[in-house]
Amino acid sequence: DAKTTQPNSMESNEEEPVHLPCNHSTISGTDYIHWYRQLPSQGPEYVIHGLTSNVNNRMASLAIAEDRKSSTLILHRATLRDAAVYYCILSLFNQAGTALIFGKGTTLSVSS
Amino acid sequence: GAVVSQHPSWVICKSGTSVKIECRSLDFQATTMFWYRQFPKQSLMLMATSNEGSKATYEQGVEKDKFLINHASLTLSTLTVTSAHPEDSSFYICSARVGEGPYEQYFGPGTRLTVT
Repeated sequence: DAKTTQPNSMESNEEEPVHLPCNHSTISGTDYIHWYRQLPSQGPEYVIHGLTSNVNNRMASLAIAEDRKSSTLILHRATLRDAAVYYCILSLFNQAGTALIFGKGTTLSVSS
Repeated sequence: GAVVSQHPSWVICKSGTSVKIECRSLDFQATTMFWYRQFPKQSLMLMATSNEGSKATYEQGVEKDKFLINHASLTLSTLTVTSAHPEDSSFYICSARVGEGPYEQYFGPGTRLTVT
């Protein structure tokens, strides 16, 4: 799997937007960009995924650079419950039998 | 979304004993499940890919005779830690992907194993 690079940690204030960056300069044309998050002592939770176009769902937005070498997860209004480790992962389409490989992720702290 | 459960949520065992962890997909069938291990303040490390009706595929460095994986049905995979030692103490997480596309991978809540 292509490698991703994320900052180790980020801080945010409650109710402010958060932009979590991810670099993936070696991404291939068939790699999807996935974001998961893990709250303390829990299994990871799906956040969002995309290929080329920006994506929105109820949890977050995913902004993908035109050259696809980087992406940004956007939490529009951070809450204390958003404090977690956020993982940016690349995976190939059509490989249900292939596990997601996790990097170190970004630890997001949210202050009230 | 799809739900994956694990049992037990935590377990304490003595060194030298074996422990079985169950992973169930509650509302979907999973031909493939995955087992991860996570040490404190570290990321998830893939241990093995569990395929229904066939032998698991282990990642390099994971002892297949120590971590026995059985995937007897489309909704159940088990991980047995044999002759557990304190260094096996960890957070074990299972997961499954749904569908054939780049769809979500659903994770169980994890099992905290402590070996004394």
